[in-house]
Amino acid sequence: AQRVTQPEKLLSVFKGAPVELKCNYSYSGSPELFWYVQYSRQRLQLLLRHISRESIKGFTADLNKGETSFHLKKPFAQEEDSAMYYCALRRMDSSYKLIFGSGTRLLVRP
Amino acid sequence: DVKVTQSSRYLVKRTGEKVFLECVQDMDHENMFWYRQDPGLGLRLIYFSYDVKMKEKGDIPEGYSVSREKKERFSLILESASTNQTSMYLCASTGGVQGGNTIYFGEGSWLTVV
Repeated sequence: AQRVTQPEKLLSVFKGAPVELKCNYSYSGSPELFWYVQYSRQRLQLLLRHISRESIKGFTADLNKGETSFHLKKPFAQEEDSAMYYCALRRMDSSYKLIFGSGTRLLVRP
Repeated sequence: DVKVTQSSRYLVKRTGEKVFLECVQDMDHENMFWYRQDPGLGLRLIYFSYDVKMKEKGDIPEGYSVSREKKERFSLILESASTNQTSMYLCASTGGVQGGNTIYFGEGSWLTVV
């Protein structure tokens, strides 16, 4: 069965500190991995996807198939990064449904 | 911009009531989804639809049904609401490969069952 694990419910850092939100997945085939973000009182939105290999708002994430991980990183956190972050997996050979992790709340303190 | 609209943002219903949650998207997407969002559990898929009148169960379909009579509209139905269905409900849609597989979400419907 496919599963996405985000081990931290809450991650609290100071402004300017590096951030790493962990995501591990279990899936025997080739997955497509995403990070979604939900800011306070806003809708869930796509932050980035591993296929694009791009940096959005200073965030990057690299798919490590050996460790089955897709951790989200940012070298210098900003207060506006405070939000709920969800890692999600989609099977490449399946429908377009996403399997989500339980989410990590990032709190960036001034 | 893709728009996914959930008509009711906040609802309070009594146990046993029939509840309809409506979702409309304006991008001609084939695929639509209903998720439930709970603290500590993330998003769990209730049902999805890949075409008009077509539907498939997700991970937690018990106590729910859906209706997709038109391509742009996907309704979630709670036949007899119960207190454990108090939650945030998120609708989403995607056009698949043409849309880059990106899934777009609505703002959510907060349902409280008392």
